[in-house]
Amino acid sequence: EAGVAQSPRYKIIEKRQSVAFWCNPISGHATLYWYQQILGQGPKLLIQFQNNGVVDDSQLPKDRFSAERLKGVDSTLKIQPAKLEDSAVYLCASSLSMGAAPNEQFFGPGTRLTVL
Amino acid sequence: DQQVKQNSPSLSVQEGRISILNCDYTNSMFDYFLWYKKYPAEGPTFLISISSIKDKNEDGRFTVFLNKSAKHLSLHIVPSQPGDSAVYFCAAGSGNTPLVFGKGTRLSVIA
Repeated sequence: EAGVAQSPRYKIIEKRQSVAFWCNPISGHATLYWYQQILGQGPKLLIQFQNNGVVDDSQLPKDRFSAERLKGVDSTLKIQPAKLEDSAVYLCASSLSMGAAPNEQFFGPGTRLTVL
Repeated sequence: DQQVKQNSPSLSVQEGRISILNCDYTNSMFDYFLWYKKYPAEGPTFLISISSIKDKNEDGRFTVFLNKSAKHLSLHIVPSQPGDSAVYFCAAGSGNTPLVFGKGTRLSVIA
């Protein structure tokens, strides 16, 4: 079974530029999560989708971050404009359904973003 | 406000000995707890979990202990192996609320 795919794996941009990350969850997984992991911290949930609807985006900085999952499968996370403090690893995870036990969240390898 | 705390950033253990990783939490509403393991350049992978109604869960070399009165849980790995060297995250949640992760503890198992 293929895991959660993310691209790119690494991205370096200058502040005020825009960047987008892509995630393809495990086939059949209805729930998709985007996490931000700053160096030395644990992952922090940015947004959670159930199919193509947003379940929780309370911790998403909506002035610069946006995310979509138009067809309920893959998803993109965008930052515009980027700030220095956005440097982090962005992790995508998926699970079968929102009611799935948390141990059924499967994480992708992440995208490491460096903002200069 | 850190609801899940891992106060030891790193831990070194000799191969074959026991590794004990600790985690404290402040929110008494958490009803499940998990440990994730993370290798460099990979995403976290689930290791073991425990419900708040239990005080121990064991899976092979890994055992998680929960002390609700102290709001403390620990992960025991015995015997420790070099392949266990990784960053371990403690996480907690309740219902459908988002998981809250600790900052992680880097375990080094020395051969």
